Amino acid sequence: DVKVTQSSRYLVKRTGEKVFLECVQDMDHENMFWYRQDPGLGLRLIYFSYDVKMKEKGDIPEGYSVSREKKERFSLILESASTNQTSMYLCASSVGGSNTEAFFGQGTRLTVV
Amino acid sequence: AQKITQTQPGMFVQEKEAVTLDCTYDTSDQSYGLFWYKQPSSGEMIFLIYQGSYDEQNATEGRYSLNFQKARKSANLVISASQLGDSAMYFCAMRDYNQGGKLIFGQGTELSVKP
Repeated sequence: DVKVTQSSRYLVKRTGEKVFLECVQDMDHENMFWYRQDPGLGLRLIYFSYDVKMKEKGDIPEGYSVSREKKERFSLILESASTNQTSMYLCASSVGGSNTEAFFGQGTRLTVV
Repeated sequence: AQKITQTQPGMFVQEKEAVTLDCTYDTSDQSYGLFWYKQPSSGEMIFLIYQGSYDEQNATEGRYSLNFQKARKSANLVISASQLGDSAMYFCAMRDYNQGGKLIFGQGTELSVKP
């Protein structure tokens, strides 16, 4: 059974903290994605990676960075958390450049206070 | 730039009736894929159906069908015989193969099925 696991379901951080959100997949997928989900705005792509150490900016990369040192792990980093980064964060993975669907993790609800 | 637009923030449908959720997209590429996902209140993202840009026939999966009109750049989801368990958020998404498989989503439509 395919699995995408996000390290935390709920997270509370203080303004200015450096925050790491971790995502691991066990399907040997080339592509991995980070989205944030806000009511009325849908899922907005922050970053995606199509291979180890390769990354592309999505639609809203400002205030975020990513790291992909191993194929199975894709980390989202908030360098200095701000209250406007309070959101639901979803990680996904898929086979690269194909017509197959992406598989999602359970999401991390991040609150920045 | 690529874009997915879902213009219906919320929809109601009577149980056992059919419902159409609208989705329009914008891309300059010829090769792309269109997806629909369901997100119940539990939060998980459930893949429903896929349509390739070169597929000539509309995709179907059980009670789900995708009304693909390429010239109009629309990919509407049709749910037949609605059930109470269909109440959820529905997201349309597009994948552009010429951009490394980038996957973008629309704003979503919240569907409520009435008994």
